[in-house]
Amino acid sequence: AAGVIQSPRHLIKEKRETATLKCYPIPRHDTVYWYQQGPGQDPQFLISFYEKMQSDKGSIPDRFSAQQFSDYHSELNMSSLELGDSALYFCASSSDPSGEQYFGPGTRLTVT
Amino acid sequence: GQQLNQSPQSMFIQEGEDVSMNCTSSSIFNTWLWYKQEPGEGPVLLIALYKAGELTSNGRLTAQFGITRKDSFLNISASIPSDVGIYFCAGQLPLTGGGNKLTFGTGTQLKVEL
Repeated sequence: AAGVIQSPRHLIKEKRETATLKCYPIPRHDTVYWYQQGPGQDPQFLISFYEKMQSDKGSIPDRFSAQQFSDYHSELNMSSLELGDSALYFCASSSDPSGEQYFGPGTRLTVT
Repeated sequence: GQQLNQSPQSMFIQEGEDVSMNCTSSSIFNTWLWYKQEPGEGPVLLIALYKAGELTSNGRLTAQFGITRKDSFLNISASIPSDVGIYFCAGQLPLTGGGNKLTFGTGTQLKVEL
């Protein structure tokens, strides 16, 4: 079965640079979620979109923005990167009514 | 943000042993989910529970949704080396704007000794 696709899998950026992470949800899933996971931590919710509209917002820095496009894929844009932004970034997708979230393989972002 | 209390934090067991971990919350959830995560990979959904009192199995895994809707447990029977990983519980509530909100537990790291 098709899974959530994330690209790139690994990304190395310098401080103050920008980064764009992409997420392609499971086909026919209309909801996308973004999470950040630091070493030894559980995933922390950043933001979610349902039918291309933002549905919830978590602890996402103002330097980050995201959107969901007409084909339901989503992009997380990160600007003015800081060392502390180094983490695994996961995208998850779900569909109503059951709503279970299925996670992608993640993007490992390293800021140097 | 809010976290669920998950215990134990880590377990080091012998192959073939049964494993039990649980998750408690001060809040009620509509759905409980259990995920397994291996290093550098995304969490993989193991079991989803939708009704209070529900007991669900998936192979060697069994999970229950607590009657109070504030807790859940996961059992793994006859553990094998590939069970190694971090297990997360997650409570789920619907969002008015669409989709669902997940609150994760703190994780249980499982190590299996041959």
